[in-house]
Amino acid sequence: SQKIEQNSEALNIQEGKTATLTCNYTNYSPAYLQWYRQDPGRGPVFLLLIRENEKEKRKERLKVTFDTTLKQSLFHITASQPADSATYLCALADTGRRALTFGSGTRLQVQP
Amino acid sequence: KAGVTQTPRYLIKTRGQQVTLSCSPISGHRSVSWYQQTPGQGLQFLFEYFSETQRNKGNFPGRFSGRQFSNSRSEMNVSTLELGDSALYLCASSWQGVQETQYFGPGTRLLVL
Repeated sequence: SQKIEQNSEALNIQEGKTATLTCNYTNYSPAYLQWYRQDPGRGPVFLLLIRENEKEKRKERLKVTFDTTLKQSLFHITASQPADSATYLCALADTGRRALTFGSGTRLQVQP
Repeated sequence: KAGVTQTPRYLIKTRGQQVTLSCSPISGHRSVSWYQQTPGQGLQFLFEYFSETQRNKGNFPGRFSGRQFSNSRSEMNVSTLELGDSALYLCASSWQGVQETQYFGPGTRLLVL
């Protein structure tokens, strides 16, 4: 069956360190993979989109990698700040499908 | 540019009732998708509308339905509410569909008693 797995345990790191979040998937052939941030009680906010033929994408302190052989995406936040504390969701759309499927999200807590 | 708006923001209903939720997408966006978010199941896709046509549907019972108007505004309806329908209902809009950036609204929090 199709699965998108993100670490369900919260990730606690110190301010200034790099946070690395993992998204693994099985039985998908994604054309795109997206990362979103969600704060409590609010809708997700788009962060980055990476295509299947791209290995890496950067935006300011954010970096996403996409390995279609390992079926994994890594999401990095460098020089993390307490304001980065939120739940981060990965989402992918399978080639040919018109539905976006989300992982369960990883909660990041950045300690000052 | 105004973001995605959803009304109402909060709603309390009782079992057996029906509910209609509304979503106004960003101006110019023709794709509207609906999601249900619960602590146990996470974010689950309900359906997507594009130019007034339903293009895809998730694995939800027929009690969940939707429609889209010519101005791209969308509504979703849940009939015969069950306790398990308590959730945050989110809509998202985009220019062409789900394989591009999705702009989410703040959601409607539905509580079924």
